[in-house]
Amino acid sequence: GNSVTQMEGPVTLSEEAFLTINCTYTATGYPSLFWYVQYPGEGLQLLLKATKADDKGSNKGFEATYRKETTSFHLEKGSVQVSDSAVYFCAPSEGFGNEKLTFGTGTRLTIIP
Amino acid sequence: DTGVSQNPRHKITKRGQNVTFRCDPISEHNRLYWYRQTLGQGPEFLTYFQNEAQLEKSRLLSDRFSAERPKGSFSTLEIQRTEQGDSAMYLCASSPTGEQFFGPGTRLTVL
Repeated sequence: GNSVTQMEGPVTLSEEAFLTINCTYTATGYPSLFWYVQYPGEGLQLLLKATKADDKGSNKGFEATYRKETTSFHLEKGSVQVSDSAVYFCAPSEGFGNEKLTFGTGTRLTIIP
Repeated sequence: DTGVSQNPRHKITKRGQNVTFRCDPISEHNRLYWYRQTLGQGPEFLTYFQNEAQLEKSRLLSDRFSAERPKGSFSTLEIQRTEQGDSAMYLCASSPTGEQFFGPGTRLTVL
């Protein structure tokens, strides 16, 4: 099965700082890649996705590019806000039409004003 | 609201009791997934259905766990003879194809 290595947290940044959360994966198939976010007291929400190599997923100012050669899907945002404080999960699907997700351990992000 | 719903939201039970959780997916989503999330960890896959067929089960799903989706709509997850190690958040997700939409989860506490 797949595995995910995600940047350990917690991460604390000041408002308007640049954010990178690293994610690398191993997969036997050709997975789609996802970032999910869990805001305090809420359920998991899809943040962005990419389905093939070199695709860039983007949403709410966040971006991540599917890098097949380095098996990475790093999450970036140019200027974070307090409202971005949450736990972020990287998750590849199984591939070959199997959408089962393998989640990383999550990275807790705290943005201070 | 047409999102994924789960009931109950919280369940406290004593060790050895049986519990059942329900998941109502987004209408017309033919795929339904169950995951378990413990504190400080990411969700772990348990099982998934395509319509009423259970297509995959994780090794995490011991014989005390059973899941059904009898008419290809809602699903139930039953845990028999609960143990303290079963305490976790149980998440349900549905998908038409591609991305999964998650419900709020059922938090189980086994005393």
